Amino acid sequence: DQQVKQNSPSLSVQEGRISILNCDYTNSMFDYFLWYKKYPAEGPTFLISISSIKDKNEDGRFTVFLNKSAKHLSLHIVPSQPGDSAVYFCAASVLSSGNTPLVFGKGTRLSVIA
Amino acid sequence: EPEVTQTPSHQVTQMGQEVILRCVPISNHLYFYWYRQILGQKVEFLVSFYNNEISEKSEIFDDQFSVERPDGSNFTLKIRSTKLEDSAMYFCASSLQQGAAGNTIYFGEGSWLTVV
Repeated sequence: DQQVKQNSPSLSVQEGRISILNCDYTNSMFDYFLWYKKYPAEGPTFLISISSIKDKNEDGRFTVFLNKSAKHLSLHIVPSQPGDSAVYFCAASVLSSGNTPLVFGKGTRLSVIA
Repeated sequence: EPEVTQTPSHQVTQMGQEVILRCVPISNHLYFYWYRQILGQKVEFLVSFYNNEISEKSEIFDDQFSVERPDGSNFTLKIRSTKLEDSAMYFCASSLQQGAAGNTIYFGEGSWLTVV
């Protein structure tokens, strides 16, 4: 039962260009979405989040877009840097139900080529 | 930068043996979690813990699993009789507040468990 899907296991992007990582979800109860970044031998670290009342949230080079009707969100990184090379996990939660566990996607490995 | 620390970083154990994975959450955090990631698969929630009791657990967290906060600083995950399918990276996490919104959940580096 994959409630959060990241259909691209990997993505390669040239340094300076835009990286777009996609995520789809099936549970319409999800109302809070997060992106985590994970380097090898480290745990996931929080990157950016968005509530379902918004359709965009921006933080520096990172922007998350939410399309509720399509149950789709995306993370844009621009410009991409070699240090952005990592695995990116999309996660979702049901805020209105309190402390619901994060549901993660399988991750997308981003490689930024210098 | 506060951090969650986990030990061991890697453990190999024989099937049927008991394993204890240890975690030191961030000192002022109140909510604690275990997640796991089987190789090539998604990160999965196992259990959350607050006020010295389990607040939520997943279907994965069956009777073979238990958690404990024995001394007010450590947070442990015990697997009583390991199975091959328990081989995974186990992540401990902690947070100050309840819920995901506006509340960063900090993850440890993970403990890689290999059951042979």
